[in-house]
Amino acid sequence: GAGVSQSPSNKVTEKGKDVELRCDPISGHTALYWYRQSLGQGLEFLIYFQGNSAPDKSGLPSDRFSAERTGGSVSTLTIQRTQQEDSAVYLCASSLSVISRATNEKLFFGSGTQLSVL
Amino acid sequence: KQEVTQIPAALSVPEGENLVLNCSFTDSAIYNLQWFRQDPGKGLTSLLLIQSSQREQTSGRLNASLDKSSGRSTLYIAASQPGDSATYLCAVNGIKAAGNKLTFGGGTRVLVKP
Repeated sequence: GAGVSQSPSNKVTEKGKDVELRCDPISGHTALYWYRQSLGQGLEFLIYFQGNSAPDKSGLPSDRFSAERTGGSVSTLTIQRTQQEDSAVYLCASSLSVISRATNEKLFFGSGTQLSVL
Repeated sequence: KQEVTQIPAALSVPEGENLVLNCSFTDSAIYNLQWFRQDPGKGLTSLLLIQSSQREQTSGRLNASLDKSSGRSTLYIAASQPGDSATYLCAVNGIKAAGNKLTFGGGTRVLVKP
C-alpha cells in the first residue's frame, strides 16, 4: 500500500478484555516496529520484527502483551486482560531494512490506534 | 541509557516568526537523529534525518543542525505559518540500541498564530 495502515483507528474496551491491533506495513518493508504513546509521555518502543529473524521483544511492558507478524507482512499486537494503564495510542512503523546500518533509513509511521480501557 | 529531552515543551509564536526547537541527548554514540512532525490524531511524519557524520540537513523552510559531541540538535523553521502548528519530536538511533529502535524526546507542541 501507499503507507502504513493501522486498524482500528479507535478501540474502546472494558478492563479485563483482550484486544487485537493490526498493522499493515508499506509493501516491501522488511522491518516493522510497534511503539506506544501515552498521554503526556514520549513514544515508548515495544517490539520490532526484521524479516525472518526472531523479534526483539525487549520493550514489551508485561507478559500480557504479545505480537506476531505473519508472512513477513501484517502484524498483530495483542493485549490480554487489559488494564486502564494500557490506554494509549499504539503506533506501528515500518522501514525498508535494518540489515545495513549505513543506509540510515527513515521510519514511516501509521496513524495509530487510540486504545481506551474503561 | 539514552535519554532525549526537548525544550520547550510548548511554544506559541505569531505567523512569520522563525521557530527554534531544541533537542538534547545524553549518549553521543548515535547513528543518526530524526525530526518528526505529529498532527493531532495522526501518526508521525519524518521531516529530516541527519546522519552522525553530518552537521545539518535542509528541506525547504526547515533546517536541522547536529552537534553530536555536545549531544544537541536544533530544528529551525523559517517564516512560520499557521500550517506549521503541530508537535515536533526528535528521535535518536543509538549505536547501543539493537536494530533500528529510536529513542524519542517528549516533543515540542508548536502553535503559530495567524
